[in-house]
Amino acid sequence: DAGITQSPRHKVTETGTPVTLRCHQTENHRYMYWYRQDPGHGLRLIHYSYGVKDTDKGEVSDGYSVSRSKTEDFLLTLESATSSQTSVYFCAIRPGQGYNEQFFGPGTRLTVL
Amino acid sequence: DAKTTQPPSMDCAEGRAANLPCNHSTISGNEYVYWYRQIHSQGPQYIIHGLKNNETNEMASLIITEDRKSSTLILPHATLRDTAVYYCIVSPFGNEKLTFGTGTRLTIIP
Repeated sequence: DAGITQSPRHKVTETGTPVTLRCHQTENHRYMYWYRQDPGHGLRLIHYSYGVKDTDKGEVSDGYSVSRSKTEDFLLTLESATSSQTSVYFCAIRPGQGYNEQFFGPGTRLTVL
Repeated sequence: DAKTTQPPSMDCAEGRAANLPCNHSTISGNEYVYWYRQIHSQGPQYIIHGLKNNETNEMASLIITEDRKSSTLILPHATLRDTAVYYCIVSPFGNEKLTFGTGTRLTIIP
């Protein structure tokens, strides 16, 4: 158990509304990631962070922003949700130097109507 | 990053060894082979990784061919709880961008 929680676990929202998903970790790991998972696409990296206030884009970052003001929290924001952002979102952590494996949270199922 | 090819699905009898193949013919010298699995709709779970030597841990064994162009994940005594989608990924050590394909759906048959 890597001590990762995600909130909310389920959310239904309407097109055009802002949405923020939270990933919280208890182990002070440096690296954190946001992925989305859709049928037929596997998991795709949205954004990642390599420290407080240090973030970078993944392969599907359009329409998403992230923030990391504390080591333990990594926030994913959809400024104006669209139906194409209906997905399951997973947060992951990587313990740091010497580790390459990532450990995943339980996921957030987001539906945009 | 090198691409991987896995069969879309496999069945294995409970109690038998499950052997999951992965082809990565374009793997580079600094790329590791990683295996993850995803049970039902849970988050992916790290299983094992290796560079060129065979590796074993409490979950599985990883056999990498000498030319490193393919590998096999072995679950020695499969149980029903091993039913999951298994992902083979190749990536340099420290690379942020793990690329998950569509994996192999392994079903353990009672």
